[in-house]
Amino acid sequence: DADVTQTPRNRITKTGKRIMLECSQTKGHDRMYWYRQDPGLGLQLIYYSFDVKDINKGEISDGYSVSRQAQAKFSLSLESAIPNQTALYFCATSGPGQGVSPDTQYFGPGTRLTVL
Amino acid sequence: AQSVAQPEDQVNVAEGNPLTVKCTYSVSGNPYLFWYVQYPNRGLQFLLKYITGDNLVKGSYGFEAEFNKSQTSFHLKKPSALVSDSALYFCAVSSGTYKYIFGTGTRLKVLA
Repeated sequence: DADVTQTPRNRITKTGKRIMLECSQTKGHDRMYWYRQDPGLGLQLIYYSFDVKDINKGEISDGYSVSRQAQAKFSLSLESAIPNQTALYFCATSGPGQGVSPDTQYFGPGTRLTVL
Repeated sequence: AQSVAQPEDQVNVAEGNPLTVKCTYSVSGNPYLFWYVQYPNRGLQFLLKYITGDNLVKGSYGFEAEFNKSQTSFHLKKPSALVSDSALYFCAVSSGTYKYIFGTGTRLKVLA
């Protein structure tokens, strides 16, 4: 979805390097998410943010950190990359819904990260 | 705890035949269920969702899904498969907390 962009799209790095993946959205959504996708494991939630001052750990947050710089921007950092962090990383957003229904999540195109 | 199971890693179907991609779930309270599709080198695209109401939900590209509370299932269906439907399909569940749990995905291969 062009409304959710991720940079870079591909990145190769070495063990121990610091890496930042960036996500921007023009949907005006409050909620943003970072997932990683590994073959056979589906998508696993790393971190999520329900507004600029709200950051929460997901299922697999160890080795990752995030920053919500603005409503539209949510960055994921790997402070010291390791090979088992090689994966496809997705950013997603969702907006306020009606009543208590959770909202549809809209995904960016993904960042393919390889850690050598 | 919430969980989603997609029991088939891959489903093969001939073009023109009906297709079913299976999903079962476990969640406390009322489930919110979603199907997404992922084409190669693309992000996930929303297909359909069930929140409440009619058990048969219609979505994009001719897909539909049937919510079955007694069997805790939410299978994705299409009456007539197209080669272009070949992709990776994900089922997801939420209990209304705005967080999803995704299944492991099912690769659909439609054979010409």
